[in-house]
Amino acid sequence: KQEVTQIPAALSVPEGENLVLNCSFTDSAIYNLQWFRQDPGKGLTSLLLIQSSQREQTSGRLNASLDKSSGRSTLYIAASQPGDSATYLCAVKANSKLTFGKGITLSVRP
Amino acid sequence: DADVTQTPRNRITKTGKRIMLECSQTKGHDRMYWYRQDPGLGLRLIYYSFDVKDINKGEISDGYSVSRQAQAKFSLSLESAIPNQTALYFCATSDRSDSTDTQYFGPGTRLTVL
Repeated sequence: KQEVTQIPAALSVPEGENLVLNCSFTDSAIYNLQWFRQDPGKGLTSLLLIQSSQREQTSGRLNASLDKSSGRSTLYIAASQPGDSATYLCAVKANSKLTFGKGITLSVRP
Repeated sequence: DADVTQTPRNRITKTGKRIMLECSQTKGHDRMYWYRQDPGLGLRLIYYSFDVKDINKGEISDGYSVSRQAQAKFSLSLESAIPNQTALYFCATSDRSDSTDTQYFGPGTRLTVL
């Protein structure tokens, strides 16, 4: 059974800092990996999707990498802003089903 | 995503009541999903449907049932609600012709069972 782990559960950083959010998964036989953002009480917004054959994807200040063989992905946020405060969820897809991590709640202090 | 709508957005009910949560989509996708999210936990899959005649149990289907009334509609029912079904429920859709099989999520329904 696939398990997705995101550590730590919460993170607080000062504005402007570059930061890395980690995600690990136990079964490397994945189709793709996706990073989502969730604001309190709201739905999920897809940030980046990396296919299993890819190593990384970039969108603006966000960069996600994937090392399938080691079961790891990172989401890099450059020059963090208070508006980046949210919960970031990692999810891996296999057999057309997504398995989610518990998320990392990020707080960026002004 | 405005193309995936869920009703109601919030619902408070009592133990033992029957509840139906509805999901509609205008994206023309054939695949639909129901998830629940509990505080401090990730999303867990309840049921999924790859087309109108296809219904599959997910990780935590006990206590739930679903109905795929049409390609655009997928309803989740709690036959006899219990307090530990208090959670945030999400519907999602995807398209089998999309090579990435990206799922698009609705805004969620917050359900409280007293």
